[in-house]
Amino acid sequence: QVQLQQSGAELARPGASVKMSCKASGYTFTSYTMHWVKQRPGQGLEWIGYINPSSGYTNYNQKFKDKATLTADKSSSTAYMQLSSLTSEDSAVYYCARDGNYVGFAYWGQGTLVTVSA
Amino acid sequence: DIVLTQSPASLAVSLGQRATISCRASESVDSYGNSFMHWYQQKPGQPPKLLIYRASNLESGIPARFSGSGSRTDFTLTINPVEADDVATYYCQQSNEDPFTFGSGTKLEIK
Repeated sequence: QVQLQQSGAELARPGASVKMSCKASGYTFTSYTMHWVKQRPGQGLEWIGYINPSSGYTNYNQKFKDKATLTADKSSSTAYMQLSSLTSEDSAVYYCARDGNYVGFAYWGQGTLVTVSA
Repeated sequence: DIVLTQSPASLAVSLGQRATISCRASESVDSYGNSFMHWYQQKPGQPPKLLIYRASNLESGIPARFSGSGSRTDFTLTINPVEADDVATYYCQQSNEDPFTFGSGTKLEIK
């Protein structure tokens, strides 16, 4: 069965960077794009962008273009997202989610909580 | 960016009754004969769960109590009959155009 296993919670200082992971299993990693979604506490969902693991092509929401960097390692079937220059506004749960070729995000990771605090 | 406006922001429905949630897009989300609008259910502490894809297609494993309809800019998620387990927040999402955007959510409670 398809599973997306995300890395654990992160506590970071303002101005620092964090890199989180999303390990995929149960399907061919290079056959589907991997998306990332942000959810601040008690708030809605924001789409950050996606990566095509096969080609490495990335597409970012302009709002996150200077904040997030998406990469993927085909050898380990793992997608990564690095967040830079962290502020309190980056404190949120970040989800990876697998696209099904424009049929919505049927598979989600459990989320990685990032807390930015001095 | 395509803005998705959900209404109502919250609703309370009696068990066994119908719940209807609306999602209006600021421009059409239709392309190539498909409506790229999807619906999710999210419970506290959990990731969203896909309910309906491309406006009206029931995701595998989702009860037939859930249904979706609509095209272009106006879409509806219906839950009939509502069960206690349906207490959650529901989001619409469009994937017709970058950036993929979500509605602000509708919180469903039991009356």
